[in-house]
Amino acid sequence: DAGVTQSPTHLIKTRGQQVTLRCSPKSGHDTVSWYQQALGQGPQFIFQYYEEEERQRGNFPDRFSGHQFPNYSSELNVNALLLGDSALYLCASSFRENQPQHFGDGTRLSIL
Amino acid sequence: SQQGEEDPQALSIQEGENATMNCSYKTSINNLQWYRQNSGRGLVHLILIRSNEREKHSGRLRVTLDTSKKSSSLLITASRAADTASYFCATPNYGGSQGNLIFGKGTKLSVKP
Repeated sequence: DAGVTQSPTHLIKTRGQQVTLRCSPKSGHDTVSWYQQALGQGPQFIFQYYEEEERQRGNFPDRFSGHQFPNYSSELNVNALLLGDSALYLCASSFRENQPQHFGDGTRLSIL
Repeated sequence: SQQGEEDPQALSIQEGENATMNCSYKTSINNLQWYRQNSGRGLVHLILIRSNEREKHSGRLRVTLDTSKKSSSLLITASRAADTASYFCATPNYGGSQGNLIFGKGTKLSVKP
């Protein structure tokens, strides 16, 4: 039974570019949340998707957007990349929004 | 902003010793969770304690919650080198939803063989 899978594992971009990160939730899970984890910090909530809609959003600018597909997989898009967007981006899934989450191993995004 | 604050920021112990990490939070909660993160990996859910519980055990883990002091502690007994990781406490942000968690900065635990 595959857990949460994220792709790619590492990515290098330059300032101003756009990036798309992908997440497949654990089998049986229908809710996906995205977190940003800067080096040496705890994860910060970006947003949560359920039934293909953004249900909750953290304190992140509109440059961060997402999507959830009918198969429950999800994408995180970041436009106009800034140096400060360099971080580990974590995807977490659960069955409904009130169950403990399972995390993927993340995508390490580096902005040059 | 971060709700939980773990203490200490770093902890180094010998194998076989016990490790205690503390977490303080700011607002009322209905549950608190602890997660482990190995270097460069995702987070692994360890234990959830509800606001009406004072203590919970899972294997070598013991978690306490004091809602009057807005604090929690995680005790790992008989530590092993494999316990080396960062440990985070997390609380739900909106109405108890587990999908929107606020994490502290974590405690980095190093267990020496």
